[in-house]
Amino acid sequence: EAGVVQSPRYKIIEKKQPVAFWCNPISGHNTLYWYRQNLGQGPELLIRYENEEAVDDSQLPKDRFSAERLKGVDSTLKIQPAELGDSAVYLCASSLTGSNTEAFFGQGTRLTVV
Amino acid sequence: GEDVEQSLFLSVREGDSSVINCTYTDSSSTYLYWYKQEPGAGLQLLTYIFSNMDMKQDQRLTVLLNKKDKHLSLRIADTQTGDSAIYFCAEMYNQGGKLIFGQGTELSVKP
Repeated sequence: EAGVVQSPRYKIIEKKQPVAFWCNPISGHNTLYWYRQNLGQGPELLIRYENEEAVDDSQLPKDRFSAERLKGVDSTLKIQPAELGDSAVYLCASSLTGSNTEAFFGQGTRLTVV
Repeated sequence: GEDVEQSLFLSVREGDSSVINCTYTDSSSTYLYWYKQEPGAGLQLLTYIFSNMDMKQDQRLTVLLNKKDKHLSLRIADTQTGDSAIYFCAEMYNQGGKLIFGQGTELSVKP
């Protein structure tokens, strides 16, 4: 069974440019998460989806970040415009439901803003 | 507020036991987790424990939970060089599917 798939694995962009990350969760998983992991830190939740609905986006910087999960499957996270401080690893995870015990993570997209 | 704390580094000899400790603040946490992250990789779920349990054993891994002190530990028996990684403790916050992670403990296993 395929795990959570993210692309690209690496992205280098100049500040003020836009960037987008894509995530394909495990088949059948209704809940999808985007986390950001800064260097030397644990991941922090940006947004959580239950199917198509964003049920927790309280940590998402809405002035420059946006996310969507059309049809309740794949998801895209966008930053526009990117800032130097956005350099981090962006991790996508999925679980059967929001209260399910096990969340499975993708390999992440490492973003470097120069 | 929610907070999870871990020590940053642990170094052990191959074959010894490793114990990684974690403290958390949310007394309503339902599940507590241990994830492993190898360089350049995502997080791999190692094990988890329900908050009404004191201990869980899974092959070389033993999780101990002291709910009164809000203390969680992960013991790895017969530690191998392949166990070298960063280990993250996490709690499920407010039963809402949100995981709160510690900053990770880097385990170094020397031959």
